[in-house]
Amino acid sequence: SYELTQTPSVSVSPGQTASITCSGDKLGEKYISWYQQKSGQSPVLVIYQDKRRPSGIPERFSGSNSGSTATLTVSGTQAMDEADYYCQAWDSIAYVFGTGTKVTVL
Amino acid sequence: EVHLVETGGGLIQPGGALRLACAASGFTVTNNYMSWVRQAPGKGLEWVSLIYNGGKTNYADSVKGRFTISRDNSKNTIYLQMNNLRAEDTAVYYCARSSLSDYGYIDYWGQGTLVTVSS
Repeated sequence: SYELTQTPSVSVSPGQTASITCSGDKLGEKYISWYQQKSGQSPVLVIYQDKRRPSGIPERFSGSNSGSTATLTVSGTQAMDEADYYCQAWDSIAYVFGTGTKVTVL
Repeated sequence: EVHLVETGGGLIQPGGALRLACAASGFTVTNNYMSWVRQAPGKGLEWVSLIYNGGKTNYADSVKGRFTISRDNSKNTIYLQMNNLRAEDTAVYYCARSSLSDYGYIDYWGQGTLVTVSS
């Protein structure tokens, strides 16, 4: 089965840029989505189709996908961005989630 | 406005059965892909099952043969029948929607219902 691997944790200072990566075989050939999950809450879609933002998601969230790595970038990180982030791909019959990255805003 | 409300979670003994329900509002479940996704305590997200708009179903290998996803079109509700439950099935179970026009991602999630399998 298809697997997506993420760095377990990322620390960032307020106002700086956080980069969260997701790796998988030929990942650039698939569309990637990203979800933000704050403590005790349900996941929220922040990026779909590699780089598109749903309505209501701040412009500081952006995404890219090429080769075997997809990246979620949070520019000008704010304290409210502290959360777990998961990448996700559609693998023809199933939704595959990444292992998750905990983003800490120091 | 889209809403998904899960019910049916609780404490159940190993080997037992439980049925979860997800009541949808603001859209029609038969016009979308509907999934169950679970999250064990302190762990990541795991896709469990999917029911397509046409009624076909898929399951993760970890639950195949034990779980059954279904829907009641008249109630705009989907279900997850969970049989022969194991300790490793302990998790928050989320109901989730994917748009038929772009089913590659989940655009709405419910608040989740906790299932605890323990003696």
